[in-house]
Amino acid sequence: ELKVEQNPLFLSMQEGKNYTIYCNYSTTSDRLYWYRQDPGKSLESLFVLLSNGAVKQEGRLMASLDTKARLSTLHITAAVHDLSATYFCAVDENTGNQFYFGTGTSLTVIP
Amino acid sequence: SAVISQKPSRDICQRGTSLTIQCQVDSQVTMMFWYRQQPGQSLTLIATANQGSEATYESGFVIDKFPISRPNLTFSTLTVSNMSPEDSSIYLCSVQRGFGSPLHFGNGTRLTVT
Repeated sequence: ELKVEQNPLFLSMQEGKNYTIYCNYSTTSDRLYWYRQDPGKSLESLFVLLSNGAVKQEGRLMASLDTKARLSTLHITAAVHDLSATYFCAVDENTGNQFYFGTGTSLTVIP
Repeated sequence: SAVISQKPSRDICQRGTSLTIQCQVDSQVTMMFWYRQQPGQSLTLIATANQGSEATYESGFVIDKFPISRPNLTFSTLTVSNMSPEDSSIYLCSVQRGFGSPLHFGNGTRLTVT
């Protein structure tokens, strides 16, 4: 079974600081997705990464994909409180259309 | 992106009863997916619902407990049957527009079983 692991599970960071969330997965896949979930809310799609070396940026968030290392990163630049949420990565298995979600990273940005 | 309406948004139910969750999509989709998210946890796929065929259930989920209907290409229901407190979770329906597209989620149904 495909496994998707994120670290850290919990992240508390000060406003203005930079940090990276890591997403490792256990099987071959060229498609990786990042989602954001606010407390009590559903999941919102942030990034779609569809090939090795793909990089996407939106505001203070930048996501990248290394399919050879089976690793994706979500980099946070100069964090602000509004980024506080839980972030999930998900992998779309090559042989089908099932998404496997990571364990999630709960991010808290403190003033 | 898809507009997905899910209801109810939350419910508190007694042990032993059943709840049916509805999911309506604003346009036709081939497959709809039902996920469960237990408190503080990640998402687990319950089943995939195709129009015109039986739903495909993942390991650990059975049709008797989670019957699914898919009467047309824009609508699906998930029933949580004979509920116990362990069924307290958020249930999410989702769709994928095409290969390489992200999943889009409904707002979820927060179920509490007492």
